[in-house]
Amino acid sequence: DTGVSQDPRHKITKRGQNVTFRCDPISEHNRLYWYRQTLGQGPEFLTYFQNEAQLEKSRLLSDRFSAERPKGSFSTLEIQRTEQGDSAMYLCASKGVTNEKLFFGSGTQLSVL
Amino acid sequence: AQTVTQSQPEMSVQEAETVTLSCTYDTSESNYYLFWYKQPPSRQMILVIRQEAYKQQNATENRFSVNFQKAAKSFSLKISDSQLGDTAMYFCAFMKPNTGNQFYFGTGTSLTVIP
Repeated sequence: DTGVSQDPRHKITKRGQNVTFRCDPISEHNRLYWYRQTLGQGPEFLTYFQNEAQLEKSRLLSDRFSAERPKGSFSTLEIQRTEQGDSAMYLCASKGVTNEKLFFGSGTQLSVL
Repeated sequence: AQTVTQSQPEMSVQEAETVTLSCTYDTSESNYYLFWYKQPPSRQMILVIRQEAYKQQNATENRFSVNFQKAAKSFSLKISDSQLGDTAMYFCAFMKPNTGNQFYFGTGTSLTVIP
């Protein structure tokens, strides 16, 4: 069990650029979540996959955001035409079917200049 | 929608003392899970303790224990014998199973353990 890993740890980009983050969940976990966390706040749900199917999306996930989990393993979160308001920590988490515990990665800190 | 409220933005405790962090939640569900997560400066979210709503017995994990009051929708975390490594943000979370297993988090309590 190598835990949930996220890449990159930090990303600095200019407004209007596209960015993509990657998450590798714990291998036997079929459920994968993306959260966004801003300073002083708790994580806010963005979207959720069960295997390769994206089953739920928050209204926080605007049209500029897209997430994929093509083979039911790793996932990517892309933000197009980034805005300064997108600056946040993007957290990935995974869990198994029979285990209600959610395991988090270390997050990707995005700064949009 | 479920909401989780943590009314203490910041708290401090002397090393070796006991501190209690508060959490209340709002739900119409009868079956759910509650969690406390710790987020140290490294930003890695770490599970501290969990409680199943159908269990009346309060969960304990070493120095960490909860006071779960289902009728009051209250879920406080008690940290005994506080250690410097306990300094972190603590988030209370609610999860309703079988509906996407969405986790709802509170806004967190920043705990500082003073040497």
